[in-house]
Amino acid sequence: SQQGEEDPQALSIQEGENATMNCSYKTSINNLQWYRQNSGRGLVHLILIRSNEREKHSGRLRVTLDTSKKSSSLLITASRAADTASYFCAILTGGGNKLTFGTGTQLKVEL
Amino acid sequence: DAGITQSPRYKITETGRQVTLMCHQTWSHSYMFWYRQDLGHGLRLIYYSAAADITDKGEVPDGYVVSRSKTENFPLTLESATRSQTSVYFCASSEWSGNTEAFFGQGTRLTVV
Repeated sequence: SQQGEEDPQALSIQEGENATMNCSYKTSINNLQWYRQNSGRGLVHLILIRSNEREKHSGRLRVTLDTSKKSSSLLITASRAADTASYFCAILTGGGNKLTFGTGTQLKVEL
Repeated sequence: DAGITQSPRYKITETGRQVTLMCHQTWSHSYMFWYRQDLGHGLRLIYYSAAADITDKGEVPDGYVVSRSKTENFPLTLESATRSQTSVYFCASSEWSGNTEAFFGQGTRLTVV
């Protein structure tokens, strides 16, 4: 079974709105990462948040981590049509060597 | 050019045939990973490698074999392809497992008929 589960599975918003995606996981972690995948392409790393961090920012991205609830959220502010993609969270398991991904959130940003 | 490349990009093979997917990275990253991506399942880890000659199973290893004789190469072999192995396969590498970002190849779309 996969360690990370994203919610919602799909999200459709208008350009300019904010998009929030959530990730829940089952094990203790060292860090949690978020990746983006455009249709037909490989994944691209967005941001990494360590277990001792609660919030991290990168441009229009804001990631939060709540280790007590085993959950993380990715907020994309002022979304653009170019943000249309699938977004995945990833965590380390297996003693810190396995990088496992969730099922992803499909984001569609409409003009 | 620096990066991670997969070959072939597209492959059609018949049930029962052996097929090898190639992955090559130019950064000398220690860790390499193979994933398969199927609709509704996200990415599932097949095998990973912490260094040359060190490999270990992921979530869905059955029917697959890997080797890593050189740091830069991590081929994935389907010993006897089945229709259930029709998928998009992604290779990735990272400097140090999940503590640094992973870099992904463009993927290989494999169809088993």
